[in-house]
Amino acid sequence: DGGITQSPKYLFRKEGQNVTLSCEQNLNHDAMYWYRQDPGQGLRLIYYSQIVNDFQKGDIAEGYSVSREKKESFPLTVTSAQKNPTAFYLCASNDIRGEQFFGPGTRLTVL
Amino acid sequence: SQQGEEDPQALSIQEGENATMNCSYKTSINNLQWYRQNSGRGLVHLILIRSNEREKHSGRLRVTLDTSKKSSSLLITASRAADTASYFCARNSGGSNYKLTFGKGTLLTVNP
Repeated sequence: DGGITQSPKYLFRKEGQNVTLSCEQNLNHDAMYWYRQDPGQGLRLIYYSQIVNDFQKGDIAEGYSVSREKKESFPLTVTSAQKNPTAFYLCASNDIRGEQFFGPGTRLTVL
Repeated sequence: SQQGEEDPQALSIQEGENATMNCSYKTSINNLQWYRQNSGRGLVHLILIRSNEREKHSGRLRVTLDTSKKSSSLLITASRAADTASYFCARNSGGSNYKLTFGKGTLLTVNP
């Protein structure tokens, strides 16, 4: 999975809880991304960051938050405001050619 | 928004046959990329084709791009059971970032 790690692999959330998904890369890439994938669907962009201390909303940012304090790390917090968070979450980074490298994903389930 | 649409949604073939998947899009692109995803895993980059390119090859993979028709195709020749996966096209519109817009994918099943 190309030098990107995500943890945990499985995560369970109770109603009203915030949870944080970890994403770390050792590829020295500037840009990082968070996607959400629902069953049988493609990827939808939640947030992306092109450089440390900067990030932008993607297509479905409501109910999510991110930070980018270090080049290697781009954690995603799923807040209680996200009403339907059960999904597969994928983190990616890209090289200067624009090819994206993906982590193995975190499967989040709301109990 | 998902502006890349793959066709067909699902494809089932026998080992040794060729598999062709198509992707259409609506707006201009800087490049178009194809990815593969095994069930429950992350995506793996296959090929990137730029808007000024018409065809690219990588091993048993061949990608074509027709910008006048806003479409691309991925051909897998001599398919193997291990090629069973979902295949996604993703477009980059250029500008100041490398953001990708993904389609919903084609689920390819290669029967031994």
